[in-house]
Amino acid sequence: EPEVTQTPSHQVTQMGQEVILRCVPISNHLYFYWYRQILGQKVEFLVSFYNNEISEKSEIFDDQFSVERPDGSNFTLKIRSTKLEDSAMYFCASSEILRPTTNEKLFFGSGTQLSVL
Amino acid sequence: KNQVEQSPQSLIILEGKNCTLQCNYTVSPFSNLRWYKQDTGRGPVSLTIMTFSENTKSNGRYTATLDADTKQSSLHITASQLSDSASYICVVTLNTGFQKLVFGTGTRLLVSP
Repeated sequence: EPEVTQTPSHQVTQMGQEVILRCVPISNHLYFYWYRQILGQKVEFLVSFYNNEISEKSEIFDDQFSVERPDGSNFTLKIRSTKLEDSAMYFCASSEILRPTTNEKLFFGSGTQLSVL
Repeated sequence: KNQVEQSPQSLIILEGKNCTLQCNYTVSPFSNLRWYKQDTGRGPVSLTIMTFSENTKSNGRYTATLDADTKQSSLHITASQLSDSASYICVVTLNTGFQKLVFGTGTRLLVSP
């Protein structure tokens, strides 16, 4: 089965530093997402991205966050000045079809564990 | 407020036994309900997807049910295997332009030999 690939698997950074989390979505998918999961809590939606622009974002996704599709394969999440509370597992996801139809699957990557010290 | 609640929080069963996990939701506008399996340190993997008109859907030893009237769903696992040990997450999709998913906190299942 096709996979969403995320790198790195673990990232440790100092508070205030910038981090970039990288994702390679499934090749024929057009819609991309970032989710995060703080340890012991539920998965939370951050942002969705289509046609090189943000489609929707949550209240978590403030000015410190940005997303980019720098080329035809990569999809990145940048956190400009990390805070302790940004420590979480960040999941990238992709899907082929826009509307959440019956057969629509959202494919998740294995995640990047971000630790802010 | 859109919420998805799951029970139990955790469950231990013996290998070969069956179990049922519960999900209650208050999400509007509702599009579909999904069950995901999440192994430790991995991303969620889709098990089933059901719209409001579907009462049941199976995927191997996994059978999900949906009662759209009472806004409840269940995931039944038959003849459990050690590899079923994982978190099972109930997720409801909002009927908006994009796939906005509301996640439950999950049920952590441990299958013991």
